[in-house]
Amino acid sequence: DAGITQSPRHKVTETGTPVTLRCHQTENHRYMYWYRQDPGHGLRLIHYSYGVKDTDKGEVSDGYSVSRSKTEDFLLTLESATSSQTSVYFCAISVRQPEGSEQYFGPGTRLTVT
Amino acid sequence: GDSVVQTEGQVLPSEGDSLIVNCSYETTQYPSLFWYVQYPGEGPQLHLKAMKANDKGRNKGFEAMYRKETTSFHLEKDSVQESDSAVYFCALRFGSARQLTFGSGTQLTVLP
Repeated sequence: DAGITQSPRHKVTETGTPVTLRCHQTENHRYMYWYRQDPGHGLRLIHYSYGVKDTDKGEVSDGYSVSRSKTEDFLLTLESATSSQTSVYFCAISVRQPEGSEQYFGPGTRLTVT
Repeated sequence: GDSVVQTEGQVLPSEGDSLIVNCSYETTQYPSLFWYVQYPGEGPQLHLKAMKANDKGRNKGFEAMYRKETTSFHLEKDSVQESDSAVYFCALRFGSARQLTFGSGTQLTVLP
């Protein structure tokens, strides 16, 4: 257990509404990530963070923003949700190991935009 | 850019069969390579890894060899079990930010 929680676990929202997903970790790891998972695409990186207030874009960042005001929390915001953002969203942390860092994933948030 | 290709979307071996799940990658970097496994309703879990060329990752009877000459990291097992059924993702990691690039995934369903 990597001590990662995501909230909410499920959400249904309407097109055009703002949505914020939360990722919380208990172990003060520096790197945190948001991915989305869609059939046929595997997991794709949306944004990542390498410290408090330090974030950068991933492969599919359009329509998403992130914030990290505390080490333990990484928020993903959809400013105006669209149906194409219906997906399962996973948060991950990077944990340094002797042989190299490893990523561990949270349980996911299933978001449906109607 | 960097990419990972998994050619099989689904494989359906019978229990006791041998298994190869293909993974090929493209990158100009020197990546680390991973296989993740995902069970229904859960997040991906690290299954095995190889940090550099010619390393072999092993876990629960599965193996994968990091082959730089063929840019491959195929997942193999001699005898699959029903409990191995899951989705398997191949991934590579490079760079200081440690982000992962994933393949599209292979659904493994082991038939009784």
